[in-house]
Amino acid sequence: AAGVIQSPRHLIKEKRETATLKCYPIPRHDTVYWYQQGPGQDPQFLISFYEKMQSDKGSIPDRFSAQQFSDYHSELNMSSLELGDSALYFCASSPGRQGWTEAFFGQGTRLTVV
Amino acid sequence: KQEVTQIPAALSVPEGENLVLNCSFTDSAIYNLQWFRQDPGKGLTSLLLIQSSQREQTSGRLNASLDKSSGRSTLYIAASQPGDSATYLCADPINTGTASKLTFGTGTRLQVTL
Repeated sequence: AAGVIQSPRHLIKEKRETATLKCYPIPRHDTVYWYQQGPGQDPQFLISFYEKMQSDKGSIPDRFSAQQFSDYHSELNMSSLELGDSALYFCASSPGRQGWTEAFFGQGTRLTVV
Repeated sequence: KQEVTQIPAALSVPEGENLVLNCSFTDSAIYNLQWFRQDPGKGLTSLLLIQSSQREQTSGRLNASLDKSSGRSTLYIAASQPGDSATYLCADPINTGTASKLTFGTGTRLQVTL
């Protein structure tokens, strides 16, 4: 079965650089979520999209932005990177809003800022 | 604000033992509950989703129960195997009606030894 695909799997950037993470949801899933997981921490919600519109926003820094495109894939853009942005970034998708249906996660993008 | 607590934080058991992982919520007005497994540095794998109309769900050697009145969920793993070693996370979807997101517990790190 198709899963959530994230790219790249690993990314190394220098401070103050920009990074773009991509997420391809499971086919026919119209909701995408982004989470950040620091070392030894539980995943923290960043932002979500439903039918290409932002539906909820969590602890996402102003330096980050995201969007969902017409084909439902999503991109998380991160600018002016800081050392503290080093983390695993997960994307999840679900067929409908998460409260009703099961969420499926991608394997994550490990971002290292040096 | 919903807070999710998982007990124990870490657990080491010999192969073959049955074990119980606990998850509790400060706000017992939960809708669905989802259990995940995470291997080190990897993505989140959905194990079980218990919907509001259900009290438990079973998948293979896993059984999850949900007691909404007390705001608690239990994941039971039967006949544990070394391959079960991972971090187990429970998650509560916060549903505002217009959007929803998962609030994760801090996880239980399970080690099954030979």
